[in-house]
Amino acid sequence: NAGVTQTPKFRVLKTGQSMTLLCAQDMNHEYMYWYRQDPGMGLRLIHYSVGEGTTAKGEVPDGYNVSRLKKQNFLLGLESAAPSQTSVYFCAAQRGGLDTQYFGPGTRLTVL
Amino acid sequence: LAKTTQPISMDSYEGQEVNITCSHNNIATNDYITWYQQFPSQGPRFIIQGYKTKVTNEVASLFIPADRKSSTLSLPRVSLSDTAVYYCLVGDGTDSNYQLIWGAGTKLIIKP
Repeated sequence: NAGVTQTPKFRVLKTGQSMTLLCAQDMNHEYMYWYRQDPGMGLRLIHYSVGEGTTAKGEVPDGYNVSRLKKQNFLLGLESAAPSQTSVYFCAAQRGGLDTQYFGPGTRLTVL
Repeated sequence: LAKTTQPISMDSYEGQEVNITCSHNNIATNDYITWYQQFPSQGPRFIIQGYKTKVTNEVASLFIPADRKSSTLSLPRVSLSDTAVYYCLVGDGTDSNYQLIWGAGTKLIIKP
């Protein structure tokens, strides 16, 4: 039982490049979240999903897209990376809206 | 929209009790208040959750007054390993406009 895993752990992109971050969970949880955390700051919600096939915008969705084609996977895409997207990205899974969120280890992304 | 306020940082010594308060002026009436702990280069980890009055588990206590406009995380007899950032999390709104509101975090440093 791995919980929540994120791929990759580290990535360096050039401005304008695209990439997809993968979040996978083996807990059969309905809700999944993508956050970004800038140095010395708290978490900011990018997008979230309340179930397979659904997605919704969070606090800072611009420049990102997401998909939840399978219940266990939540993908975060950057179509044209910008230096302002340099951050640590965390994924979380949650059984229901009022339950504990379980976080992955994070992906450290640098955009040059 | 609800707003959370936490102290930016706190210092204490091993063996002391530490109390961290989060102010949240307008949270959803049916939502829980949750606290998370984060170590460097890791995702946040659940500590405790409550709705009102007092909740205690093996690592912490959570005190919530009747008006639910604040909550206090209490860590008894802290050790060096409790050095971390602590976040409060509350919900605001209902149904389609429901939002998760994370505090900015309190950096707790425990000294020997």
